Amino acid sequence: GAVVSQHPSWVICKSGTSVKIECRSLDFQATTMFWYRQFPKQSLMLMATSNEGSKATYEQGVEKDKFLINHASLTLSTLTVTSAHPEDSSFYICSASGPGSYNSPLHFGNGTRLTVT
Amino acid sequence: GQNIDQPTEMTATEGAIVQINCTYQTSGFNGLFWYQQHAGEAPTFLSYNVLDGLEEKGRFSSFLSRSKGYSYLLLKELQMKDSASYLCAVRSGNTGKLIFGQGTTLQVKP
Repeated sequence: GAVVSQHPSWVICKSGTSVKIECRSLDFQATTMFWYRQFPKQSLMLMATSNEGSKATYEQGVEKDKFLINHASLTLSTLTVTSAHPEDSSFYICSASGPGSYNSPLHFGNGTRLTVT
Repeated sequence: GQNIDQPTEMTATEGAIVQINCTYQTSGFNGLFWYQQHAGEAPTFLSYNVLDGLEEKGRFSSFLSRSKGYSYLLLKELQMKDSASYLCAVRSGNTGKLIFGQGTTLQVKP
């Protein structure tokens, strides 16, 4: 089945620094990747949708200049949290879908636990 | 806009059956998904409905009624390991993105 790898699994950083999270599709070409954020005891909130080779589409309320998304290849998308603050501490999860698979279930990476001190 | 509702918490007994309901309002409906999520882990896919009716996969079944904007996930022969959050998610249009409900935390007791 489709495998999505996310790295790192967890990261601790100081306030004001930037953190990059990688999401890779290992056995299929991910034309579309989705980035979600999940705060404790809450559900997944979609942050943005990224299509390979084009700019990401951000959901309402998500700052595109703070959460930089790059989807430069069919197997890799990155999310950079710039100038991180403690309120950005959350569980970030990516998912990916391939061409013609929009009717298929999304498969998720294992998530990245970000703690900003 | 989209609205997805499911109960916040449920409790059931080991070996029993539990039904988790989900109601939704959306335009361009293109499928409803159920995911299981254990604390600190990513969601794992359980089931998918795009047409009305019941889909059965082992101990898990999911039902959909598009006219009523309603789905349920049925878990049979509950096991302690089934204690988790169950997320209802709706796909609209053909972008592929899923919008999730707030999740139902299920606690299975001995």
